[in-house]
Amino acid sequence: DAGVIQSPRHEVTEMGQEVTLRCKPISGHNSLFWYRQTMMRGLELLIYFNNNVPIDDSGMPEDRFSAKMPNASFSTLKIQPSEPRDSAVYFCASSLGQGFNTEAFFGQGTRLTVV
Amino acid sequence: GQQVMQIPQYQHVQEGEDFTTYCNSSTTLSNIQWYKQRPGGHPVFLIQLVKSGEVKKQKRLTFQFGEAKKNSSLHITATQTTDVGTYFCAGGGNKLVFGAGTILRVKS
Repeated sequence: DAGVIQSPRHEVTEMGQEVTLRCKPISGHNSLFWYRQTMMRGLELLIYFNNNVPIDDSGMPEDRFSAKMPNASFSTLKIQPSEPRDSAVYFCASSLGQGFNTEAFFGQGTRLTVV
Repeated sequence: GQQVMQIPQYQHVQEGEDFTTYCNSSTTLSNIQWYKQRPGGHPVFLIQLVKSGEVKKQKRLTFQFGEAKKNSSLHITATQTTDVGTYFCAGGGNKLVFGAGTILRVKS
């Protein structure tokens, strides 16, 4: 398996623009997580899906952020409108099973820069 | 909410020296996971501890979970340049809360 696949790897956008990050989890994994990593705040969980259903979105910072998982092999994280403080590395991770009690496999991440 | 504190923030060692990073949670954890992130890379799972007082070894790495399941440590014996990176603990339960990480630099 190719692992968790994220695209794009790098994104530079202007403030106010819409940004969509994409993730393909490992086949057969039924939990998917979106994390954000910054120097100031470290790794933060944004949202967690199990069997394509959002279970915990308490980490989503604002209404500008939204995430979907239309099927077991695809998820998106959208920021609209983007702001400079959204600049970070966004990781998608997947795991087998439910919850946070199994190994999480992280994608390579998307480095987002909002200017 | 649950908080996971990790110390030290940064450690610079001579190759061959030992290294330890410590993790403390404000609440009892159902499990603790450890991850390594190389510079410019993504977190990679190392191990999960579940039982109170559990000790696991992976070659030169020794992982411990405290008796009260609120603290954990990772010890690396005789560091090598390949050990360079950031080591994160993550407390599991209703969610996985990551510590801030310990950055390890190794001088050869």
